[in-house]
Amino acid sequence: ETGVTQSPTHLIKTRGQQVTLRCSSQSGHNTVSWYQQALGQGPQFIFQYYREEENGRGNFPPRFSGLQFPNYSSELNVNALELDDSALYLCASSPSGGVTDTQYFGPGTRLTVL
Amino acid sequence: AQSVTQPDIHITVSEGASLELRCNYSYGATPYLFWYVQSPGQGLQLLLKYFSGDTLVQGIKGFEAEFKRSQSSFNLRKPSVHWSDAAEYFCAAHNTNAGKSTFGDGTTLTVKP
Repeated sequence: ETGVTQSPTHLIKTRGQQVTLRCSSQSGHNTVSWYQQALGQGPQFIFQYYREEENGRGNFPPRFSGLQFPNYSSELNVNALELDDSALYLCASSPSGGVTDTQYFGPGTRLTVL
Repeated sequence: AQSVTQPDIHITVSEGASLELRCNYSYGATPYLFWYVQSPGQGLQLLLKYFSGDTLVQGIKGFEAEFKRSQSSFNLRKPSVHWSDAAEYFCAAHNTNAGKSTFGDGTTLTVKP
């Protein structure tokens, strides 16, 4: 059983640019959630995808968008980057997104916006 | 609004001493509760979870947590801390879907030799 992987590990962008972060879920996991973790804070829920459809969104603007693919990979896209988007971005997969599911987290992508 | 609060930003304990990390939640109904650990450069690892039943739950690495409904708390404990326990600890909760959890801001644990 492979774990959850994310790429790239680190990324530096400038304000106004666009970025795509990638996540590979555990095989068989139909649900992926994305979280933003600012320095000194806990992860904040961005959105969740279940079977390639968005299944809930946190308090994030539309310039944060995502995709989930049939091969258990997913993307987080952020347009018009702002300085406050600098954070660790975590993805987490779970079998079905159910109430009693366990989430498995990737190591994260550290995004720095200059 | 639903929230999870970890009152202690930073805790320092000596190796071999006991540990208690505090977590309080504010939800309309009893949520499902979790404790995670995060080491530098690594993702979050689940230590334990509470869904229902026995209010004292056992987790990995010798950790346990006790759910107290009357205090809206879910404190994490370990009887004897090891140097390798130094990390950041997060309490989390949800009431609908594990992937839409609300996290506290974490407690950083330092272990003195």
